[in-house]
Amino acid sequence: DAGVIQSPRHEVTEMGQEVTLRCKPISGHNSLFWYRQTMMRGLELLIYFNNNVPIDDSGMPEDRFSAKMPNASFSTLKIQPSEPRDSAVYFCASSSQAGGRGEQYFGPGTRLTVT
Amino acid sequence: GEDVEQSLFLSVREGDSSVINCTYTDSSSTYLYWYKQEPGAGLQLLTYIFSNMDMKQDQRLTVLLNKKDKHLSLRIADTQTGDSAIYFCAESGQGGKLIFGQGTELSVKP
Repeated sequence: DAGVIQSPRHEVTEMGQEVTLRCKPISGHNSLFWYRQTMMRGLELLIYFNNNVPIDDSGMPEDRFSAKMPNASFSTLKIQPSEPRDSAVYFCASSSQAGGRGEQYFGPGTRLTVT
Repeated sequence: GEDVEQSLFLSVREGDSSVINCTYTDSSSTYLYWYKQEPGAGLQLLTYIFSNMDMKQDQRLTVLLNKKDKHLSLRIADTQTGDSAIYFCAESGQGGKLIFGQGTELSVKP
């Protein structure tokens, strides 16, 4: 398996623009997680899905952030409009909750810079 | 609530042992995990321990779990420069999510 795939790997955009980050989880995994990592706040869980349904979005910073999972093999995290303080590395992770250990497998991340 | 605490930095000399410590709050966690993050990469599962165990050894890695004190440690024997990374402790939380610590940055000096 190719592991969790994220795109793009790097994104540089201007303040006010819409940003869409994409994630393809590991095939067969039924849980998907979006994290944000910054020097100041460390690793933060933004939202997670079980079987394509959002379970907990309490970590989403504000209404400018939205996430969708239209099917088991694809998820997006959208920021509209983007602001400089959104600059961070965004990770997607997936796991299997079907009687397993529940460990999460992380993608390589998308480094977002908002100028 | 669920919370995981780690010290932020650890510096050791090559060849020495490293011990990274972690405390957690949720006594119902089934598994506890150690993840490693190298520069510019995502987190990678290093090892895990089931909550009814008190020790697990995997080559140079030894995980110790003290359930009474809710204390988890990761010992790396014969630490190499390639072990320099950020190490995250995590406990299993509600609904399948993991609760991560802040990460310990391990620096290995030659």
